[in-house]
Amino acid sequence: AQKVTQAQTEISVVEKEDVTLDCVYETRDTTYYLFWYKQPPSGELVFLIRRNSFDEQNEISGRYSWNFQKSTSSFNFTITASQVVDSAVYFCALSGVIQGAQKLVFGQGTRLTINP
Amino acid sequence: GAGVSQTPSNKVTEKGKYVELRCDPISGHTALYWYRQSLGQGPEFLIYFQGTGAADDSGLPNDRFFAVRPEGSVSTLKIQRTERGDSAVYLCASSLDIAPPANEQFFGPGTRLTVL
Repeated sequence: AQKVTQAQTEISVVEKEDVTLDCVYETRDTTYYLFWYKQPPSGELVFLIRRNSFDEQNEISGRYSWNFQKSTSSFNFTITASQVVDSAVYFCALSGVIQGAQKLVFGQGTRLTINP
Repeated sequence: GAGVSQTPSNKVTEKGKYVELRCDPISGHTALYWYRQSLGQGPEFLIYFQGTGAADDSGLPNDRFFAVRPEGSVSTLKIQRTERGDSAVYLCASSLDIAPPANEQFFGPGTRLTVL
């Protein structure tokens, strides 16, 4: 069975601080996809990134970066120089590549609050 | 272009009543997904459609839940004899196709169902 664990329920930081959101996953699949989604107060899930398990290179997109470590089954998300607009609930998710590619398995989410 | 839309945005009903939740996917998207998000939790997969047929309904909690997509576009999630435990946000998503990389799921704003 697939499982995603986001141990941090809530994080609160002051604007401009860096913050890392942790994600640990379990799967028996040898290939899989990992995702991060943002859910602002409006409720709509916003796609941030998808990574294939074959690709362990870290990725940076502006103030966002992702650290994928297959050895520890982790896919952590870092926001550099956080801003108030980053306040949201962030979800890590997992899916298969062929079998189960259509079914996203989400973690419980981390509520991030950026204080001015 | 228009994103995934869901109606109603809020639905309050009484225990034992029947409800229908509607999802309009992005035009041209062949796959459609339903998830349920309880308070403080991540979304949980319910069912997905490829075209008109339900390809995987393994996430439907029991036979009170049913979903249709008769013309391969709009989908309706139907809940019979609602229970208080059905209260949640019901999220719909669509994707261009079911196979990667075209299976990125775009989410709607959700329908908040409250069963009194």
